Amino acid sequence: AQKVTQAQTEISVVEKEDVTLDCVYETRDTTYYLFWYKQPPSGELVFLIRRNSFDEQNEISGRYSWNFQKSTSSFNFTITASQVVDSAVYFCALSTFSSGNTPLVFGKGTRLSVIA
Amino acid sequence: GAVVSQHPSRVICKSGTSVKIECRSLDFQATTMFWYRQFPKQSLMLMATSNEGSKATYEQGVEKDKFLINHASLTLSTLTVTSAHPEDSSFYICSAPTQIAGGPGTDTQYFGPGTRLTVL
Repeated sequence: AQKVTQAQTEISVVEKEDVTLDCVYETRDTTYYLFWYKQPPSGELVFLIRRNSFDEQNEISGRYSWNFQKSTSSFNFTITASQVVDSAVYFCALSTFSSGNTPLVFGKGTRLSVIA
Repeated sequence: GAVVSQHPSRVICKSGTSVKIECRSLDFQATTMFWYRQFPKQSLMLMATSNEGSKATYEQGVEKDKFLINHASLTLSTLTVTSAHPEDSSFYICSAPTQIAGGPGTDTQYFGPGTRLTVL
């Protein structure tokens, strides 16, 4: 069975602080995808990143960075110099590659509040 | 980029009525679409997989007679909540996977903007 755990339910930081959102996953598949999505109050899911299981390189995109470690089954997300606009719920998700048409398994999400 | 639309974005209805939600892939064909439900302050839970040309596959605990899914074409899937009740009030989101040019293993799920259903 596949499972995604986001242990942090809510995080509150002051603007300009760095914050890391944790994600731990479980799967028996050797090929899989990991995702991060942002859900602002409007509800629409905003795609942030997709990483396949064969690519363990860390990735940086502006103030966002992701640390993928297969040894610990973790795919953590760091926001550097946080801003109020970063306030949202962030979901980590997992899907297998056995078929391109597989649904995502979501973690419970982490609600991030950035205070000015 | 690929876009998935949903209509309506928000609906309020009386208990006992049926509500239809449409999910469209705007610039790609989707033989499969997924329907998720999200209760307030909770995660997204898969309800069913919609398959073009065949019956939908429902997750355990989801009533197929209550949540009717029709994948009428390669760009349209509909979810009908029949005889809606207040406990059906939720945020319904569809998604469609598509292959991106670049070789195997590059599929991505595109999500619609969601439909907020409130049953009075």
